[in-house]
Amino acid sequence: EPEVTQTPSHQVTQMGQEVILRCVPISNHLYFYWYRQILGQKVEFLVSFYNNEISEKSEIFDDQFSVERPDGSNFTLKIRSTKLEDSAMYFCASSGSTSSTDTQYFGPGTRLTVL
Amino acid sequence: QKEVEQDPGPLSVPEGAIVSLNCTYSNSAFQYFMWYRQYSRKGPELLMYTYSSGNKEDGRFTAQVDKSSKYISLFIRDSQPSDSATYLCAILELNAGNMLTFGGGTRLMVKP
Repeated sequence: EPEVTQTPSHQVTQMGQEVILRCVPISNHLYFYWYRQILGQKVEFLVSFYNNEISEKSEIFDDQFSVERPDGSNFTLKIRSTKLEDSAMYFCASSGSTSSTDTQYFGPGTRLTVL
Repeated sequence: QKEVEQDPGPLSVPEGAIVSLNCTYSNSAFQYFMWYRQYSRKGPELLMYTYSSGNKEDGRFTAQVDKSSKYISLFIRDSQPSDSATYLCAILELNAGNMLTFGGGTRLMVKP
């Protein structure tokens, strides 16, 4: 069964450092998403991406964040200068379309720890 | 304000029990309602979705929406220990980049 994969599973970084979280969406999917979940809190939408453009972004997704699809298989989330409050689980998701009946498949997540 | 609220639990039931999980939401414009299951250290997995008031069944699972009360429910019949997980309700906003707005999740434990 196809699945979304994410690397690394756990990333530890120092405050102020740049991190890149990587995702490989399901191969024939066209729509890509990033969500995050701070420990003990809700899963929060960050950004959606289609046709090499951001479709929608939340208030959380400020200038410190960027997304990229550098090739035909990877989808990345970059945080330029990490803050302590960026510590969270980051989930990548993908879907084949924006149809309401089309499932967003989530990856297992990357746990980001900012020290 | 767009909000989805859930009782965090934990909810502990014996195997075979009927489980009722509930969410409330604030925005009457919401149209599509999802239930996700999340096992420890895994990403959310879609269980069911519905877009209208009423019930939708899928095996042991029934999703129910009451738009007049802004209340959504998930019922699990004949609960199994393998159902032990966190259950997240979520609202899909098609006009907002297919954004999902999640509730906080209810942790369910089914004891053998």
